[in-house]
Amino acid sequence: QITLKESGPTLVKPAQTLTLTCTFSGFSLSTNGVGVGWIRQPPGEALEWLALTFWDDDKRHSPSLRSRLTIIKDTSKNQVVLTMTNMDPVDTGTYYCVHRPSFGSYFDYWGQGTLVTVSS
Amino acid sequence: DIQMTQSPSSLSASVGDRVTIICRASQGISNSLAWYQQTPGRVPKLLIYAASTLQSGVPSRFSGSGSGTDFTLTISSLQPEDLATYYCQNYHSAPYTFGQGTKLEI
Repeated sequence: QITLKESGPTLVKPAQTLTLTCTFSGFSLSTNGVGVGWIRQPPGEALEWLALTFWDDDKRHSPSLRSRLTIIKDTSKNQVVLTMTNMDPVDTGTYYCVHRPSFGSYFDYWGQGTLVTVSS
Repeated sequence: DIQMTQSPSSLSASVGDRVTIICRASQGISNSLAWYQQTPGRVPKLLIYAASTLQSGVPSRFSGSGSGTDFTLTISSLQPEDLATYYCQNYHSAPYTFGQGTKLEI
């Protein structure tokens, strides 16, 4: 059974760096084709894909946020870490960790999400 | 970047109705299209991938079709639990963009 769970701060100040950790189970991030990514959703708004790391350490980032995002995997710990620099109130929202299956970059398992508020 | 445009943005229908949601990609994405359902206050759920393949456990009243730039999600007989916002997603190439969502009211 695949599960993912996000952890990190619920409140960050403007200009600070957000660090979120996704801890997963039920699969290995060294399996061919598999990936773990991040998606966010501002309150009342649509889903926005942020970043994806693959089993072979390839990475993809949202072009609009690329300069602020880092995604790193730790296969031995079954974790993926997302950092986002220079946080702004518009970055407030629920951040989801997601599983990419071997067949394509859609997302078949989602974490419960973590609400991050950016405010001074 | 590939832009995904859904129509309508919102839709009101009755139990038993047949409902169709359209998703259009700004350039061809073959069949690399997924649909998700997000019920109020809940985590998004994968319904369909590869444009028309039903994810395991999803009721058969849901179906998807299309290829290239034009795609549809159809609910053959609307049920009360289908109240949700539906999103399409391009996974042909990064960035893996979502549509703006279609809010379905019953």
